[in-house]
Amino acid sequence: QVQLQESGPGLVKPSETLSLTCTVSGGSISTYSWNWIRQPPGKGLEWIGYIYHSGNFKQNPSLKSRVTISVDTSTNQFSLKLRSVSAADTAVYYCARKMGRPNFYMDVWGTGSTVTVSS
Amino acid sequence: DIQMTQSPSSLSASVGDRVTITCRASQSISSYLNWYQQKPGKAPKVLIYGASSLQIGVPSRFSGSGSGTDFTLTISSLQPEDFATYYCQQSSTTPLTFGGGTKVEIK
Repeated sequence: QVQLQESGPGLVKPSETLSLTCTVSGGSISTYSWNWIRQPPGKGLEWIGYIYHSGNFKQNPSLKSRVTISVDTSTNQFSLKLRSVSAADTAVYYCARKMGRPNFYMDVWGTGSTVTVSS
Repeated sequence: DIQMTQSPSSLSASVGDRVTITCRASQSISSYLNWYQQKPGKAPKVLIYGASSLQIGVPSRFSGSGSGTDFTLTISSLQPEDFATYYCQQSSTTPLTFGGGTKVEIK
């Protein structure tokens, strides 16, 4: 049973870089592709991007190329970096497994990591 | 980007009621439509993928239909544990986009 767990700082200062890691347990990270999704307080879900196990990733253009997603197969982890954050980036950040082809969906989710952007 | 519009944004229903939530895409997405349930403080959980396929472990009272631009999620007999917010999501093109959510509350 694959499980995901996000980790990282809960507080980030404006203009700095938000960094989160998702640890995959119960399965190999190399078998699937992986997503980051976020949810601002009281609002809906926003897809940030996904990464293939090859290391190539796609991001949401709304984030204006501030995103880097990387994968480390040796530690079974993948990571999110979001640069130049502002208060609008305050959200719960989820990692999730990408399943299915050609229609794909997120079938396993982490519990979420709350990140607040504030000085 | 493909815009996903859900209706209603909220509804009140009683245990045992039949509930229908609709999701409309701003352009055709074939059957590349998924439904999620989210309870307060929890991560979303996939219920339906590919517009009508029931995820393993999800009760059969949940069903999905539609193709192209118009989709529905139906709960045939609402149970106490079904009170939650429901989201549709398209995977036809990136960026993946979600509907605004439908909150199902107790009447």
